[in-house]
Amino acid sequence: QKEVEQNSGPLSVPEGAIASLNCTYSDRGSQSFFWYRQYSGKSPELIMFIYSNGDKEDGRFTAQLNKASQYVSLLIRDSQPSDSATYLCAFSGYSTLTFGKGTMLLVSP
Amino acid sequence: GAGVSQSPSNKVTEKGKDVELRCDPISGHTALYWYRQSLGQGLEFLIYFQGNSAPDKSGLPSDRFSAERTGGSVSTLTIQRTQQEDSAVYLCASTDGGTDTQYFGPGTRLTVL
Repeated sequence: QKEVEQNSGPLSVPEGAIASLNCTYSDRGSQSFFWYRQYSGKSPELIMFIYSNGDKEDGRFTAQLNKASQYVSLLIRDSQPSDSATYLCAFSGYSTLTFGKGTMLLVSP
Repeated sequence: GAGVSQSPSNKVTEKGKDVELRCDPISGHTALYWYRQSLGQGLEFLIYFQGNSAPDKSGLPSDRFSAERTGGSVSTLTIQRTQQEDSAVYLCASTDGGTDTQYFGPGTRLTVL
């Protein structure tokens, strides 16, 4: 069974720090990996996707993928209180995405 | 352009009643997904439609759940004889079929009393 593992948190960081969110997945055949942000009471919104090993940067966000280790991470630089949310990792399967349960991030002012 | 829309935003029903939830995907998106998210839990895949292909119903939790997609666009998720454990947020997402990137609607919060 395909699985995605994430630490449920909460991960607490002070404003301005780097937040590091991690995710491992079970399906070696997965090609696409996604990070979604979900604010309380809201639906998930896409932050980034990554297909290739290495780093992908978009503004304050950097996704890192290591297919050999089946590991994907999300770094958030200069964390802001508005980044406080649950971050969902997902990978592509045969017909849909498999989502982790998410890591709650709390950024304190 | 317009995103994925869902209606109603909230639905309160009594145990044993049937409910219908609606999803209108992004225009031109060929793939449509339904998920369920219980309080504090992750996303549970329910069903997937891709174009005119037979839907992937592997995630439906029981035969009380069904879904259809008319004209390759709007989809309706029907839950018959609702139970209290059906209470959750039901999310719909769509993709253009060429990528795996899913865009979510705002969800329908279903409460079964």
